[in-house]
Amino acid sequence: AQKVTQAQTEISVVEKEDVTLDCVYETRDTTYYLFWYKQPPSGELVFLIRRNSFDEQNEISGRYSWNFQKSTSSFNFTITASQVVDSAVYFCALSEAGNQFYFGTGTSLTVIP
Amino acid sequence: EPEVTQTPSHQVTQMGQEVILRCVPISNHLYFYWYRQILGQKVEFLVSFYNNEISEKSEIFDDQFSVERPDGSNFTLKIRSTKLEDSAMYFCASLRGKAYEQYFGPGTRLTVT
Repeated sequence: AQKVTQAQTEISVVEKEDVTLDCVYETRDTTYYLFWYKQPPSGELVFLIRRNSFDEQNEISGRYSWNFQKSTSSFNFTITASQVVDSAVYFCALSEAGNQFYFGTGTSLTVIP
Repeated sequence: EPEVTQTPSHQVTQMGQEVILRCVPISNHLYFYWYRQILGQKVEFLVSFYNNEISEKSEIFDDQFSVERPDGSNFTLKIRSTKLEDSAMYFCASLRGKAYEQYFGPGTRLTVT
């Protein structure tokens, strides 16, 4: 069974639209960490956010916001007023007690100018 | 800001050859990881390393793979006899402690011909 599911394989939006990337996770641990990484065409993994299982507060960082809901095991990522530079593959990841990361399959976002 | 470095950025090798991928983790980090990403697919865990020994490994990490931290700074991944299916991006990551995010290196693209 997948520990991290990103059901959206590819999304295309027009510049300035808002877009939400979904992430659903599965774990039996009470302590875990959730992450989002951005992978631009150059290939590196860029850390965006870490959230621990005890902190359900939503977070906003500029145009980025994250909605963590333990009740639905979801950690969704919203980009407001998308820009062409946001085009990338976005990975959601789960770490149980800080061990290996389980990555989702990624969502490829294309922002059309 | 400290960063994880990896060399080389791109390695081309013939099937059956041995390759060594090198990583220099962040200096005060204690946990080290290798991940693999086949082109267009998700990032997959290979192995974690702590206190000079492997702490966890995946099914992918078979006898053809080995890791070493020979001098307290470098962290290497060796593939003894490469196969075509080993072609992928290999990411090194390090972690200061289990409550923190993993810092990923820029990756080494391995091409086996």
